[in-house]
Amino acid sequence: AQSVTQLDSHVSVSEGTPVLLRCNYSSSYSPSLFWYVQHPNKGLQLLLKYTSAATLVKGINGFEAEFKKSETSFHLTKPSAHMSDAAEYFCVVTYQTGANNLFFGTGTRLTVIP
Amino acid sequence: DTGVSQDPRHKITKRGQNVTFRCDPISEHNRLYWYRQTLGQGPEFLTYFQNEAQLEKSRLLSDRFSAERPKGSFSTLEIQRTEQGDSAMYLCASSLAQGASRTEAFFGQGTRLTVV
Repeated sequence: AQSVTQLDSHVSVSEGTPVLLRCNYSSSYSPSLFWYVQHPNKGLQLLLKYTSAATLVKGINGFEAEFKKSETSFHLTKPSAHMSDAAEYFCVVTYQTGANNLFFGTGTRLTVIP
Repeated sequence: DTGVSQDPRHKITKRGQNVTFRCDPISEHNRLYWYRQTLGQGPEFLTYFQNEAQLEKSRLLSDRFSAERPKGSFSTLEIQRTEQGDSAMYLCASSLAQGASRTEAFFGQGTRLTVV
């Protein structure tokens, strides 16, 4: 089955330290990969996307992710966490063939400690 | 505001009642998606439309659920004879697909349904 796995349900970091949120996808044809963020009582906001161009993708708010086909991974990173980064993060995959809908991971809750 | 709009934002209903939600996508987007999100979980796909055609439905979409997009613009999601297990956030998203190219999906803020 086509799917995406977020390896950590909860990540806690201190303010100013690096953030790493892990995501692996099931191998298939031409995946497009996205990271969305959801703040409490807010809608889902796109952080960044990979659509077969550059493998290192830069997004908003200092986040970036690297597409690694050999590892079927698309981990999200940020050099220095800010308090406002505390939220739920979803890794999402869609494929050029087969079903056209978006497959969401189960989410990673990021806590930033002052 | 030209984003995806959902109405209402919150709905409380008694078990057994019917409810209908509306989604207005970004105007030039031809694809519209409905998702359901329960507390602590990621969104789960329900159905999607390309223009007015409903192209895919999840097995989560029981016969009590129906979605329409009559003119290829706004969409409605109706739940008949609501059950407590239907309590969730219902999310709508839209995107533009042209051939093999597609934009990312833009999400509305959701309709939170509580069945009491």
